[in-house]
Amino acid sequence: GENVEQHPSTLSVQEGDSAVIKCTYSDSASNYFPWYKQELGKGPQLIIDIRSNVGEKKDQRIAVTLNKTAKHFSLHITETQPEDSAVYFCAASATAGNKLTFGGGTRVLVKP
Amino acid sequence: NAGVTQTPKFQVLKTGQSMTLQCAQDMNHNSMYWYRQDPGMGLRLIYYSASEGTTDKGEVPNGYNVSRLNKREFSLRLESAAPSQTSVYFCASSGSQHFGDGTRLSIL
Repeated sequence: GENVEQHPSTLSVQEGDSAVIKCTYSDSASNYFPWYKQELGKGPQLIIDIRSNVGEKKDQRIAVTLNKTAKHFSLHITETQPEDSAVYFCAASATAGNKLTFGGGTRVLVKP
Repeated sequence: NAGVTQTPKFQVLKTGQSMTLQCAQDMNHNSMYWYRQDPGMGLRLIYYSASEGTTDKGEVPNGYNVSRLNKREFSLRLESAAPSQTSVYFCASSGSQHFGDGTRLSIL
């Protein structure tokens, strides 16, 4: 089955700096890669996703890149703000709406 | 529009007790999922239902049963709770997986 590894497990950045989280996956059939943000006491919330026919996708301060050859994808947050502090999860599946395999999560702390 | 609603939000059980976690979605999604979240281990799939009337095992199904009651509702049952089942349980529905806010379950 699919295996998703996520690094780093914790990330501390200064407000205004950029944050990068990286994930690798094992199943070459995976073609849907969402990212979730989880705030304390809440369920994960989808913040951005990318499909395998696209190499990069941006949404304001958030961007995701995908390298299918190397089987890795990354989340980039620019101009970080204190409200970006949360746990972020990457995931992979063979198609949107199908079973997801999650990475272990990254706890991001943005220091004012 | 409530999205995915889970009940209860918190529960404490004694070893050996049984319990059903409830989940309902109002987005007309076909697929629904149950995950457990443990510290440092991300979310692991327990069971899922691709459509009304079907259920399948996920990564960690042992000790659990599920029922897809109708298109809206998907319940998770612990027949004989064990301390290893202490966790936060999340229900999700398809699309890009809309999650509920979880049930925090402690088993003593």
